[in-house]
This record gives sequence, structure tokens and C-alpha cells, in this order.
Amino acid sequence: GQNIDQPTEMTATEGAIVQINCTYQTSGFNGLFWYQQHAGEAPTFLSYNVLDGLEEKGRFSSFLSRSKGYSYLLLKELQMKDSASYLCAVRAPGSNYQLIWGAGTKLIIKP
Amino acid sequence: EPEVTQTPSHQVTQMGQEVILRCVPISNHLYFYWYRQILGQKVEFLVSFYNNEISEKSEIFDDQFSVERPDGSNFTLKIRSTKLEDSAMYFCASSDDPNPNQPQHFGDGTRLSIL
Repeated sequence: GQNIDQPTEMTATEGAIVQINCTYQTSGFNGLFWYQQHAGEAPTFLSYNVLDGLEEKGRFSSFLSRSKGYSYLLLKELQMKDSASYLCAVRAPGSNYQLIWGAGTKLIIKP
Repeated sequence: EPEVTQTPSHQVTQMGQEVILRCVPISNHLYFYWYRQILGQKVEFLVSFYNNEISEKSEIFDDQFSVERPDGSNFTLKIRSTKLEDSAMYFCASSDDPNPNQPQHFGDGTRLSIL
């Protein structure tokens, strides 16, 4: 079966750095995504990792270790607008299109 | 920036009725998707569509559901004989390439409430 685990909720301070972890157990691996979802809105693509290592995009970076079934999303210089849920999703093994989603991590930013 | 648009934003329907959710994908995109998210729960894949046919579907997408691209711009999800448990946010997404480096762009969703 496929399973994705993320912390339910995290709290961080404006201007700080936060790391959101994601572990996955799938029968194969075909890529991992991070999406941001503000309450009541659509998910917005943040990053995609298929090879081990760190991908950096401005204030956001995503890391993948395939051998450990582990990824993290790193957010730097946190802003109040970063308060949202962060969804980890993996491409279903053998699939071109289907994404399997984690339950999301609700990130609360405090001043 | 082009975006995926969905209508209506909120649909209220009596149990047992049919409902059609509408989506206009980004104009040069060729791959279309429907997802649903029950309140407080995970996003769930329903179906993907390419070249006027379903390319993949999940276990959720049973005979109650169907998709159609009736013209060059719209992509619809039909739910027949709705049930209370169909109440959810339904997201349409599109991409111009199934290559994962080309992300799926999501619409703002239709909130479906079954009474």
C-alpha cells in the first residue's frame, strides 16, 4: 500500500526558518511534490523532486532522500502569508498522472 | 497569468439528483484532472483525461461519475444520483505535459453540498 506521513500542525515565528518533514512508503517511487494550500483555496505547486538532494527556489527549498523515503520542505524568512497547509504528494507507482496526497501540515506563523 | 476556472463556486443539490461541475482548463493544456477534498481530509485523485478519453481513474471514480470535454474549452465532471458522502470540494487541474516538471495547475474548486 501507499502511505504518506506529515506532522499535523507546526508553529513558527515570522522571519524564522521552519522545516516540514514528509515520509512516504510506496511500492515504487516516481517523484514527490510539495503544494501549498491556503484555507478554502486550491493547492498551488511549490516543488518537485525525483532525484536525491536539495532543490532551492527562493525562500523555499525541498530535499529528497529516496533510500530513506524522506523529504522535507524548508521555508526561510517566514512571512505571515506563509500561514497555510503544506501538502506532500507522491506520484503513484506505475502512474503517469495520479498523485497520492498526504494529509498536509498546517503551518501557523506568529508575529 | 492564465488560470483554471471552475463554476459554480458553490453548488447545493438534493440527494439523488445529478450535478455537473464545470471547468475551463488553461487554453494550451492537454491533460486534465479532477480531485476531491472532503472537508478536513486529504486531497484525493479522481480521474485524468487526455485526448478525449480517460487515461487513469481511481477507485473512487465509479459508475456514478463521468467526465466529458464537450467542446474545445470546457471539461466537466458529472455525478449521477448524488449521495450525502459526495459533499466535498472538487478541484479541476490541468497541465500541458504529464512530465512532472510541468506542474498541475488547480482551479479554485467547487464546493458541493448534498442535502
